[in-house]
Amino acid sequence: DVKVTQSSRYLVKRTGEKVFLECVQDMDHENMFWYRQDPGLGLRLIYFSYDVKMKEKGDIPEGYSVSREKKERFSLILESASTNQTSMYLCASRDRTYNNEQFFGPGTRLTVL
Amino acid sequence: QKEVEQDPGPLSVPEGAIVSLNCTYSNSAFQYFMWYRQYSRKGPELLMYTYSSGNKEDGRFTAQVDKSSKYISLFIRDSQPSDSATYLCAMFSGGYNKLIFGAGTRLAVHP
Repeated sequence: DVKVTQSSRYLVKRTGEKVFLECVQDMDHENMFWYRQDPGLGLRLIYFSYDVKMKEKGDIPEGYSVSREKKERFSLILESASTNQTSMYLCASRDRTYNNEQFFGPGTRLTVL
Repeated sequence: QKEVEQDPGPLSVPEGAIVSLNCTYSNSAFQYFMWYRQYSRKGPELLMYTYSSGNKEDGRFTAQVDKSSKYISLFIRDSQPSDSATYLCAMFSGGYNKLIFGAGTRLAVHP
């Protein structure tokens, strides 16, 4: 079974703090994704990575950056957290198969005070 | 206008009911359609996957795609309390293009 793990289930940070969210997958998938999930808005893509050291902006990259130094690990960084970044953050990985199935981690519920 | 519209619910039904969940979309290039199920405090998991128009059945679940109307449905027969979850539709146009998700419909099946 594919396993995608995220470093924290719940996180509380203060405005202006630098926040790191970590994601690790154990199936040697090349592609990894970061989404945020908000009520009524569904999943919105923040950043994705096709391979190590490669990254592409998604639909809402403002205020975020990412790092992929190793194939199994994809980090999301909030440079200076703001209250409007309070959300559920989901990491996913994908194998290069025809069906584009993405495997999700359990999510990190981030609250910025 | 969003590319994919999905009624967020919540939808509450009695055990044994037939449930219909729906999404509409605006991009005629979409060819691949998925339904993900997300239990509370968990990440989404792929439930059904279909290509182009038609029906696909898997146990109590049937996915239906009508490309002419840009409308997709997920039917759940004999619904169970264990089906209580948020159901998200997702679609893409092909290759490794990004998935576009609906907002998700929250379903509660009560005994």
